[in-house]
Amino acid sequence: RKEVEQDPGPFNVPEGATVAFNCTYSNSASQSFFWYRQDCRKEPKLLMSVYSSGNEDGRFTAQLNRASQYISLLIRDSKLSDSATYLCVVNGDSNYQLIWGAGTKLIIKP
Amino acid sequence: NAGVTQTPKFRILKIGQSMTLQCTQDMNHNYMYWYRQDPGMGLKLIYYSVGAGITDKGEVPNGYNVSRSTTEDFPLRLELAAPSQTSVYFCASSSFGTGDEKLFFGSGTQLSVL
Repeated sequence: RKEVEQDPGPFNVPEGATVAFNCTYSNSASQSFFWYRQDCRKEPKLLMSVYSSGNEDGRFTAQLNRASQYISLLIRDSKLSDSATYLCVVNGDSNYQLIWGAGTKLIIKP
Repeated sequence: NAGVTQTPKFRILKIGQSMTLQCTQDMNHNYMYWYRQDPGMGLKLIYYSVGAGITDKGEVPNGYNVSRSTTEDFPLRLELAAPSQTSVYFCASSSFGTGDEKLFFGSGTQLSVL
């Protein structure tokens, strides 16, 4: 089993739709969870951290399920500018060492 | 604010050549990282550093070397380049432990070994 696993997609959704990504992780001791966004041929940028209680930032909602060892990202009212690859990131044996998923590609269509 | 500056942006090497990827950050971050990203894959950690004079191997260190003589600089050295080292390389830094665990990335280096 991969340490961090994501559906590679691509997810093709119409503008205005709601889309959800899941990410599973194998290390039950992981404490830090993040979603990063990566545009084509660009560096990753932090979208949001994922807290135990869940968190929301505008149209984006992140949830953590420790029992099932997965995190999720929900994007509401999707925009064309949301088209990107979304990377799930979980800390490894040390808090400062991060394990990256392969990413889920999202394509928003007009 | 320059943030993390990474050079060069593109490079083509012949098999067996060597080169150094430069990385500088001006945010006084203690933690610095080198990652590689192959097409359709996530980032793999090559080496990391928790402060000047301290470096350690990540998941895929073979064929690479690093040094951290100052807080600002964290160069990555490729010795005897091989086609398997064709990838996009990202340098990153963070102020881990201060409550802000966000990684700041350089713009990446596209390296081809032919």
